[in-house]
Amino acid sequence: GESVGLHLPTLSVQEGDNSIINCAYSNSASDYFIWYKQESGKGPQFIIDIRSNMDKRQGQRVTVLLNKTVKHLSLQIAATQPGDSAVYFCAEKGSQETSGSRLTFGEGTQLTVNP
Amino acid sequence: DGGITQSPKYLFRKEGQNVTLSCEQNLNHDAMYWYRQDPGQGLRLIYYSQIVNDFQKGDIAEGYSVSREKKESFPLTVTSAQKNPTAFYLCASSIYRGNQPQHFGDGTRLSIL
Repeated sequence: GESVGLHLPTLSVQEGDNSIINCAYSNSASDYFIWYKQESGKGPQFIIDIRSNMDKRQGQRVTVLLNKTVKHLSLQIAATQPGDSAVYFCAEKGSQETSGSRLTFGEGTQLTVNP
Repeated sequence: DGGITQSPKYLFRKEGQNVTLSCEQNLNHDAMYWYRQDPGQGLRLIYYSQIVNDFQKGDIAEGYSVSREKKESFPLTVTSAQKNPTAFYLCASSIYRGNQPQHFGDGTRLSIL
């Protein structure tokens, strides 16, 4: 079936470095993508989203890149801080006609920031 | 503040017992969702509802039941038929149409006594 997956289950970086978390998706009809951050014992928190008619979107210290040709999504975190340590999930949404409002989540990447 | 409230935060179930997890939202969202998360894994969809008095099975609905009698509320019952209920349960809500993110509560951790 269709799936969203992550290349790396864990990522360890030094404080101040930039982090890049990757995600592959296989549903070429997906038109909306979201990155979530989940801290231990809490629910996922929205970070940034991007629509399929865009290839880049920037937020505060975060940038999402979408490459539809190779079905790849990435989250870049600038100047990573200890508070960024969490599990990061990508999620995709298919077309409204086939998926409604359902999201498909990837397995997650554990980001650890070392002081 | 607008948001999603899940209760209780921790819940224990005895063998053969049904338990109900509460989810309330004041975001005026049409759609609500229940996910199960096992340690070190992603989110799997149990049930979802896109409108009051209507709901659909997700990918792992067996052993669970839901109701959607009010727009704000979407309780999940973990029945005795669910043989491996120990997990972290997350409720979310969203606007139904258009490209908008789902918003999550802080989860209920269910364990077996």
